[in-house]
Amino acid sequence: ELTQPVSVSVALGQTATIPCGGDNIGTHNVHWYHQKAGRAPVVVLYRDARRPSGIPERFSGSNSGNMATLTISSAQVGDEGDYYCEVWASNTAIFGGGTKLTVL
Amino acid sequence: EVQLVESGGNLVQPGGSLRVSCAASGFTFSSDTMNWVRQAPGKGLEWLSYISTDSSTIYYADSVKGRFTISRDNVKNSVFLQMNSLRVEDTAVYYCVRDSPNFWGAFDVWGQGTKVTVSS
Repeated sequence: ELTQPVSVSVALGQTATIPCGGDNIGTHNVHWYHQKAGRAPVVVLYRDARRPSGIPERFSGSNSGNMATLTISSAQVGDEGDYYCEVWASNTAIFGGGTKLTVL
Repeated sequence: EVQLVESGGNLVQPGGSLRVSCAASGFTFSSDTMNWVRQAPGKGLEWLSYISTDSSTIYYADSVKGRFTISRDNVKNSVFLQMNSLRVEDTAVYYCVRDSPNFWGAFDVWGQGTKVTVSS
């Protein structure tokens, strides 16, 4: 099971941190997805901290012990939406419950 | 353009069956593993099933094991999800998703989703 806070708020231009907790999650590759309302999710980080092409450097990640973290610096209005962490374990893909990011 | 297009979503009664399809284009479909992920209204993402390139390896979530069957046709560049014994709680948008070895198994391509409603 992966645990995420239901919601996170951040002031425009500031840094948002979204945690994803799980037993020994540091031993897994963690992927992060961003979903805007009414749209399909988009991968923003893979293998803990790697960015697909087109994803800004403002998105970064870390993963150690029992916690993985997605960090969004200089948060923009377009960063709003739901963020999900995901890992593969025992032939199953597991998603966190999702975190709604609001940019104030 | 790399694209996945789902179809087949519909309104179905509890206990009924439905088959949703996903047509792939813009990439070498036979070389990529595929998955189905769903999202119930107002809820988070739930992975359902995985199929390997040659269909030799298949995994299911416990919630659908024994009721849903994933399959693929590498000639028609399509992946399918046969859903039987449908329940009200299966109501969701169903996404066809590619997982890429280039992204260490991350789901890098998603379809637009097809809506399945289970209701009497």
